[in-house]
Amino acid sequence: NAGVTQTPKFRVLKTGQSMTLLCAQDMNHEYMYWYRQDPGMGLRLIHYSVGEGTTAKGEVPDGYNVSRLKKQNFLLGLESAAPSQTSVYFCASRPSGNPYSNQPQHFGDGTRLSIL
Amino acid sequence: KNEVEQSPQNLTAQEGEFITINCSYSVGISALHWLQQHPGGGIVSLFMLSSGKKKHGRLIATINIQEKHSSLHITASHPRDSAVYICAVRKGGSEKLVFGKGMKLTVNP
Repeated sequence: NAGVTQTPKFRVLKTGQSMTLLCAQDMNHEYMYWYRQDPGMGLRLIHYSVGEGTTAKGEVPDGYNVSRLKKQNFLLGLESAAPSQTSVYFCASRPSGNPYSNQPQHFGDGTRLSIL
Repeated sequence: KNEVEQSPQNLTAQEGEFITINCSYSVGISALHWLQQHPGGGIVSLFMLSSGKKKHGRLIATINIQEKHSSLHITASHPRDSAVYICAVRKGGSEKLVFGKGMKLTVNP
């Protein structure tokens, strides 16, 4: 099993360009998450999904959109990239269950995105 | 004030030393996670705790719910333990994790 796969691994964009980051998991997990990681800060949740066809905002959702059309895929879109969105983006997934079941999240290897 | 604080922020140790990494939090939680991020960037879940203590190999994680504090111990440290160790908590009733800033550990041979 590949686990959680993120594509691309690296990307450089110009301000105003758009792009989509793809996260794919082959573990049949219900929950999926997109985070960004910036120097000196902890991981911050952008958007998440608790199942196919559902999405919800996290801590820093502005400037991003997401879609979960298929259970195994969670897409993160930047409609008009800004330099402030330069970051490392991580996708994660975990099995379903009551929040108190507390299953660990499985992370992808990250996407390093630079906006010039 | 951050809801999850880790200390120290950086630590350099010699191979073989016993290492303790601390995490304090200020909110009610349903679980606490310890994660490891290697220089290549990948993040791996080490432990998930809601009470007591867990051990895996040379790693031991403890949590004190009353004091809102957790520790990650590494026994007989090795250079391959060099990584950033991240503490994260799941607030009670929430789907979301709140992450600490991480602690960078360097173990020299």
